Amino acid sequence: AQSVTQPDIHITVSEGASLELRCNYSYGATPYLFWYVQSPGQGLQLLLKYFSGDTLVQGIKGFEAEFKRSQSSFNLRKPSVHWSDAAEYFCAVGARQGNKLVFGAGTILRVKS
Amino acid sequence: EPEVTQTPSHQVTQMGQEVILRCVPISNHLYFYWYRQILGQKVEFLVSFYNNEISEKSEIFDDQFSVERPDGSNFTLKIRSTKLEDSAMYFCASIRQVTTDTQYFGPGTRLTVL
Repeated sequence: AQSVTQPDIHITVSEGASLELRCNYSYGATPYLFWYVQSPGQGLQLLLKYFSGDTLVQGIKGFEAEFKRSQSSFNLRKPSVHWSDAAEYFCAVGARQGNKLVFGAGTILRVKS
Repeated sequence: EPEVTQTPSHQVTQMGQEVILRCVPISNHLYFYWYRQILGQKVEFLVSFYNNEISEKSEIFDDQFSVERPDGSNFTLKIRSTKLEDSAMYFCASIRQVTTDTQYFGPGTRLTVL
């Protein structure tokens, strides 16, 4: 069965600093990997996804993520954080197209000015 | 840009009452999903629906839950007799077709059971 671990519950970074949110997954085959963002009271917005090919994927809002099979990781990065990036970030894995998503517990990002 | 919509945004109900949560998936999407997020917890899969039948369901999705696509646009989740522990945010999602990829989520319905 698939599982996702986001080891950091909360992260605080200064505005303008770089960001890396960690995600480790467990799945026997090549997974479909996603990062979603949720602002307070809002739904889930897709930031980026990985299915195959280039292991470095670019998303919206300047985010990128790198799939590392050897480490079973799919960490999210941003070179310079903006105050508007404060939100909760969820990593998710799917076994195949159309399959259910299994989410991590989420990481709450706080941005200090 | 097309989006998934959900109504109501917030529903308050008494324990034991039936509730129906409504979703309008993106048109021409064929797969539909319900997830829930209890406050402070992770998003959990409930059920997926394709071709007018359930394709997969989780252990959470017991006999108290049902889903339906009553017409060409709506997708509903019914909870027959709500419990306090059903209080959560319920998200609907849809996917365009089996050969593509991303699940698009609606804004959610916050269900509060008193």
